Amino acid sequence: EAQVTQNPRYLITVTGKKLTVTCSQNMNHEYMSWYRQDPGLGLRQIYYSMNVEVTDKGDVPEGYKVSRKEKRNFPLILESPSPNQTSLYFCASSSTHGEGTDTQYFGPGTRLTVL
Amino acid sequence: GQNIDQPTEMTATEGAIVQINCTYQTSGFNGLFWYQQHAGEAPTFLSYNVLDGLEEKGRFSSFLSRSKGYSYLLLKELQMKDSASYLCAVRYIYVLTGGGNKLTFGTGTQLKVEL
Repeated sequence: EAQVTQNPRYLITVTGKKLTVTCSQNMNHEYMSWYRQDPGLGLRQIYYSMNVEVTDKGDVPEGYKVSRKEKRNFPLILESPSPNQTSLYFCASSSTHGEGTDTQYFGPGTRLTVL
Repeated sequence: GQNIDQPTEMTATEGAIVQINCTYQTSGFNGLFWYQQHAGEAPTFLSYNVLDGLEEKGRFSSFLSRSKGYSYLLLKELQMKDSASYLCAVRYIYVLTGGGNKLTFGTGTQLKVEL
């Protein structure tokens, strides 16, 4: 089954404790992206990757890191989480950089709470 | 920058028709998407427009006018399960990264379907 998976789905942590949210897709997609979703602000892009070893900042990259060592995986790293990073996080992938009807497929989401 | 506006909330009656509007201002426009998102779940793709006109898909239709920066999503024969948030997203060519595309989301319209 074609899918994007994220782990963990739920996480409660404390300020300053490094964490990683994993994202994996099995569709051989080139493009992967991380979003955060907050009430009243919608989905905002954190980082994206057009291919292996190619990553770039989205609209709200501060406090986050990513890596793309393999095509299928795109982990999101919070080196020193703070309460303002409490949010619902989505990973997404698409086959290309976005041509025609190429749409993004979203993972199930990770609800992160930073105390 | 990119700017997308959609109403925050709408209420409609089961069996009726509802139109959700989206206006946008962007440079390098390269397509408009509509996604449906149920509470706590991932967004799922509904429709795509890149040329002016109406695209129909069963009970859902989407319209685009590029000259007016305007789109709408039309839902017919509303069902209770259509209660969800509807996200308008604009894809644009991000010149600084060699012509890659980026996707910007509106804040979503929360649709409530009542008996």
